[in-house]
Amino acid sequence: DGGITQSPKYLFRKEGQNVTLSCEQNLNHDAMYWYRQDPGQGLRLIYYSQIVNDFQKGDIAEGYSVSREKKESFPLTVTSAQKNPTAFYLCASTPDSPEEKLFFGSGTQLSVL
Amino acid sequence: KNQVEQSPQSLIILEGKNCTLQCNYTVSPFSNLRWYKQDTGRGPVSLTIMTFSENTKSNGRYTATLDADTKQSSLHITASQLSDSASYICVVSAGMHSWGKLQFGAGTQVVVTP
Repeated sequence: DGGITQSPKYLFRKEGQNVTLSCEQNLNHDAMYWYRQDPGQGLRLIYYSQIVNDFQKGDIAEGYSVSREKKESFPLTVTSAQKNPTAFYLCASTPDSPEEKLFFGSGTQLSVL
Repeated sequence: KNQVEQSPQSLIILEGKNCTLQCNYTVSPFSNLRWYKQDTGRGPVSLTIMTFSENTKSNGRYTATLDADTKQSSLHITASQLSDSASYICVVSAGMHSWGKLQFGAGTQVVVTP
């Protein structure tokens, strides 16, 4: 089945530690996105990538980093500079532009130990 | 200030009853408006996408309406089922010039009880 796979489902971070969230898609989509979801708030864009080897900062990129070395993969690293990382992280993709329907992964819940 | 406001924040309805969720937006220019359903601990799933020229769009028991003049949208759920229990999110796009910058509402949490 085609779709977006996020892993792990749950992740715990110790203070000062960097952690990486995985996102893989087999939809052959060009564009991929990372969103952060906090209780009672709308999704906020962290980073997006229109094509391989290119990515752009979203509204809340500070403390996060990404790479796009393959079309299928768009991992997100939450660095120690992100002081409030506890949130639900969602990866998404579209065939091309954000004007098209977003396909979401099942999310990763990150918590701080 | 959030450019997409949803109401109510939450609601409880009896199985089999109908309900309507509201979405008001100030995003301009406007390209399209989407409704997503998000089950607890899962990613959102698309229900409908409407452009400026569309007033109504249905997906099974879900019917979305759009009034671009008043910048309001509604999502109507008919004959609710227990599986309709979820958060419903309204998303507005300002078009290609704002690539990647969709505006998300905070969602309406719907609980359907037997």
